[in-house]
Amino acid sequence: QKEVEQNSGPLSVPEGAIASLNCTYSDRVSQSFFWYRQYSGKSPELIMSIYSNGDKEDGRFTAQLNKASQYVSLLIRDSQPSDSATYLCAVNIGPGGGNKLTFGTGTQLKVEL
Amino acid sequence: SAVISQKPSRDICQRGTSLTIQCQVDSQVTMMFWYRQQPGQSLTLIATANQGSEATYESGFVIDKFPISRPNLTFSTLTVSNMSPEDSSIYLCSVDRGLDTEAFFGQGTRLTVV
Repeated sequence: QKEVEQNSGPLSVPEGAIASLNCTYSDRVSQSFFWYRQYSGKSPELIMSIYSNGDKEDGRFTAQLNKASQYVSLLIRDSQPSDSATYLCAVNIGPGGGNKLTFGTGTQLKVEL
Repeated sequence: SAVISQKPSRDICQRGTSLTIQCQVDSQVTMMFWYRQQPGQSLTLIATANQGSEATYESGFVIDKFPISRPNLTFSTLTVSNMSPEDSSIYLCSVDRGLDTEAFFGQGTRLTVV
């Protein structure tokens, strides 16, 4: 079983819709969770971090964490064509693990006009 | 977030040669990491660059192939040694301020080995 799993997509949504990206992880001691956006040919850009159960909102982005289900998601409201990118879920098991990030394979999002 | 400068941004190298990639941060950071992203794949951690001591390598990566230096809290280098076409990847430097474990990336080095 992969440590961090994501649906590779592509996930296609119309402009203005809500895009929902999902991620599951296998290590129950994971403490920190991150969503990165990566445009083709570019390096990953941090867009959201979440550390406790529940929702965290930042502009059009909402991250949701459920540690009991080992599940983290990212919602993008009012999706725009500029949101078209690959979204990487990353998990950090904390200082005991050396603050290392384990990445999922990424979900490709396409926002269509 | 920290400003991370990585160079070169890209290079085409002959097999059997070595390339050293530099990573410079505009402020002192606790943790520096090197990742590899092979074509169409996600990121894989190569090693943690430790200031003043030997790097900590992940399974599947060895010091002879990927020697790393970190002489201070703002600078690190990764060398890809004795390159083969299988080493063609994007190599990324990442830093972590150590406060909230948020990690940020340099712009990456796109390496092609021919």
